[in-house]
Amino acid sequence: EIVMTQSPVTLSVSPGERATLSCRASQSVGTSVAWYQQRPGQAPRLLIYGASTRATGIPPRFSGSGSGTEFSLTISGLQSEDLAVYYCQQYNNWPPITFGGGTKVEI
Amino acid sequence: EVQLVESGGGFVQPGGSLRLSCAASGFSFSSYSMNWVRQAPGKGLEWVSFITGSSSTIYYADSVKGRFTVSRDNAKNLLYLQMNSLRDEDTAVYYCAKRHYGDDFDYWGQGTLVTVSS
Repeated sequence: EIVMTQSPVTLSVSPGERATLSCRASQSVGTSVAWYQQRPGQAPRLLIYGASTRATGIPPRFSGSGSGTEFSLTISGLQSEDLAVYYCQQYNNWPPITFGGGTKVEI
Repeated sequence: EVQLVESGGGFVQPGGSLRLSCAASGFSFSSYSMNWVRQAPGKGLEWVSFITGSSSTIYYADSVKGRFTVSRDNAKNLLYLQMNSLRDEDTAVYYCAKRHYGDDFDYWGQGTLVTVSS
């Protein structure tokens, strides 16, 4: 089973600043990584797939990068609506599909 | 507009059973693989099960294998999760999620809460 480790657990950022979230895979997953945003009380929403492709309707302030075992999600010009928990997911070697433990972004 | 609506959650005692349903609309349901993902209270996401459009391939997480059964009715655009021998640790919000280009999930339902407790 591939383990996805996210850091930090909590990230405090001021509005307008940049937030960088990290995700590390226990073995190479190529670029088969997705990022999800889960706002309080809501279902997860797909932000990024294929490590760097924004999903439909996702604003350009969200960007993803990385390959192999190291991945990052950058949120530029943070807005109050970006308060959420962000999860990475690998789908290169499964079952099982695995998620990281999440990073909570506090504004 | 793609919509996924789960139902069937509730309160059940350990050892009991529940069947969850996910009603899909707005896309060609039979053409897409579907998944169940759960989230225990205050915890992260855990993938539970996968089923292809034709039901020819099915996978389960080890934590539910032998107790849960996924199925679908393409004529009714419904996805199911039969949960037997429920344990306290199965308490979670259960989401159905549609497969995207890879095996990421582009649409999620709002979730249905399953509480297992004596």
